[in-house]
Amino acid sequence: DIVLTQSPALAVSLGQRATISCRASQSVSTSSYNLMHWYQQKPGQQPKLLIYDASNLASSIPARFSGSGSGTDFTLTINPVQADDIATYYCQQSRELPLTFGSGTKLEIK
Amino acid sequence: QIQLVQSGPELKKPGESVKISCKASGYTFTDYAMHWVKQAPGKGLKWMGWINTYTGKPTYADDFKGRFVFSLEASASTANLQISNLKNEDTATYFCARYNLYFDYWGQGVMVTVSS
Repeated sequence: DIVLTQSPALAVSLGQRATISCRASQSVSTSSYNLMHWYQQKPGQQPKLLIYDASNLASSIPARFSGSGSGTDFTLTINPVQADDIATYYCQQSRELPLTFGSGTKLEIK
Repeated sequence: QIQLVQSGPELKKPGESVKISCKASGYTFTDYAMHWVKQAPGKGLKWMGWINTYTGKPTYADDFKGRFVFSLEASASTANLQISNLKNEDTATYFCARYNLYFDYWGQGVMVTVSS
């Protein structure tokens, strides 16, 4: 199985940049796609797709969210962080079955 | 608009069974696979498996083989998850999610509580 490793928490001041990382135990990229995706989950809600294929912004997601990376190392950036961004962020790979999620990074306000 | 609407919360005793539903609307149901994801209280997301909404063939993750059954009511654009012989560790929220090589739409989740 592909293991995705995320830091448990990140504290950032409002208006600053947040950088959330996800490292895969093996490559999740093909010759054409980087099969890593990012979700935001607020307490009591379902996850919401933010970024697909590593760097593509999902529909209706603000441009302050962006994603980058390839191979085994991926990053979700929020710039600038707003109060509404307080949530847990998960990465997820679809390179192979079983599909796997990272353990989540909880974004907190400093 | 695209929606996945799941059934309501369930309170069950150990050993009982539960069936939860996920009704899709706003798109052609059979064009996209439906996946299921478990989230235990205070924990992360765990992929359970998926069902081919065109053929009805289910695929289960290793930890969800045996007591878990994915099924369809295709005429009603509905996917179902049945869990038999419930255990305390099945207490969780269960999400359905439409798969487009990523999970682009999610149901609101069903909280299943198993308690004697």
